[in-house]
Amino acid sequence: DAKTTQPTSMDCAEGRAANLPCNHSTISGNEYVYWYRQIHSQGPQYIIHGLKNNETNEMASLIITEDRKSSTLILPHATLRDTAVYYCIVRVEGKTSYDKVIFGPGTSLSVIP
Amino acid sequence: DAGITQSPRHKVTETGTPVTLRCHQTENHRYMYWYRQDPGHGLRLIHYSYGVKDTDKGEVSDGYSVSRSKTEDFLLTLESATSSQTSVYFCAIKGGSGRSLGANVLTFGAGSRLTVL
Repeated sequence: DAKTTQPTSMDCAEGRAANLPCNHSTISGNEYVYWYRQIHSQGPQYIIHGLKNNETNEMASLIITEDRKSSTLILPHATLRDTAVYYCIVRVEGKTSYDKVIFGPGTSLSVIP
Repeated sequence: DAGITQSPRHKVTETGTPVTLRCHQTENHRYMYWYRQDPGHGLRLIHYSYGVKDTDKGEVSDGYSVSRSKTEDFLLTLESATSSQTSVYFCAIKGGSGRSLGANVLTFGAGSRLTVL
């Protein structure tokens, strides 16, 4: 699976949009981009994923560049409860036996009142 | 309601003693994972399983063994616990739970906090 690079930490004002970048310049054509977040001491939680089209759900939007080498997770109106570590991972989907899912250190997002 | 439970949730033990953590799922998913989480390191994969009796090493497998004798249970064993294994351990299953989020989404347990004195 391709490696990802994320900023170590970010701040965002409450009520504003939080834009979390992820670089995955070595992504291959069959690898999806997944985002998870982990609120303090809890297990990580799935947010959203996509292949090449932009995606939106009730939690966030995912914008993937045309060359797929980077993506941005957008939380449209950040609240204090969005303070968490956000992980971007890329992985192949399919019926393979070997499916290691590796997480990097992620981005620690602090939403400021 | 996530269909995945970890036990024990908290454990304190002494150096050199064996420890087994259990991950139990009710979703009948094929893939299960064990991660550890330490300050400054994020989530690191220890071992994973892709079926009954089928397991493979992750990034930090030294000092750990796993077993998967039935679909629903994935056990993580520390044969002789060391202080460096003090950590929070998370189990995950691949596949949605209940209202499915998708076949390749990971669902995590609540974690098991292990302290080795």
